[in-house]
Amino acid sequence: QVQLVESGGGVVQPGRSLRLSCAASGFTFSRYGMHWVRQAPGKGLEWVAVTIYDGSKEYYADSVRGRFTISRDNSKNTMDLQMNSLRVEDTAVYYCAKGIGYNYGNPLDTWGQGILVTVSS
Amino acid sequence: DIQMTQSPSTLSASVGDRVTITCRASESISVWLAWYQQKPGKAPKLLIHETSSLESGVPSRFSGSGSGTLFTLTISSLQPDDFATYYCQEYNTYSLTFGGGTRVDIK
Repeated sequence: QVQLVESGGGVVQPGRSLRLSCAASGFTFSRYGMHWVRQAPGKGLEWVAVTIYDGSKEYYADSVRGRFTISRDNSKNTMDLQMNSLRVEDTAVYYCAKGIGYNYGNPLDTWGQGILVTVSS
Repeated sequence: DIQMTQSPSTLSASVGDRVTITCRASESISVWLAWYQQKPGKAPKLLIHETSSLESGVPSRFSGSGSGTLFTLTISSLQPDDFATYYCQEYNTYSLTFGGGTRVDIK
């Protein structure tokens, strides 16, 4: 079945870096846009970034642009989120999610279980 | 950037009630709107895309309508499994903006 599994979360100090990974299975990964969405504790959903089907374009939320980098490896069916210069306000559960189409502007029909990133001194 | 405003933020209802949640976009998004359901500690679940297209397996008591800037999610007869938080999301642009959420709880 279609599945997304995140890894790499944990506790990190402000200003440090962390890399999240998402492993996909059960679908043709290279045909779909892939996203990261986060949810701060007790708050709503915030879209973070997208990489389109072939990895040739990526887009970011204003809140993370210049600090986070999204990437994908279609040969390994994986997607990463490199998070640099982390801030306390980046503390959240991070979800990997699959778009229903190949491009960026699509609803998200499959989500991972989420992984917690805590930025704290 | 497009802003998405949901109302109400909290809704108390009983099993069997008809429930309507509203989502307003700060500018026209045509029909490019989705609705998600999220239960505590779980990932969101896509219910509806393109304003009114129900995802496979989603009960027919859920329906969506609207266009442009005003959209609604209706649950025709609330069931125990429907108590959750609901989010709208626009996908007219590359940045998928979510509404603030509507928590539906038991009256």
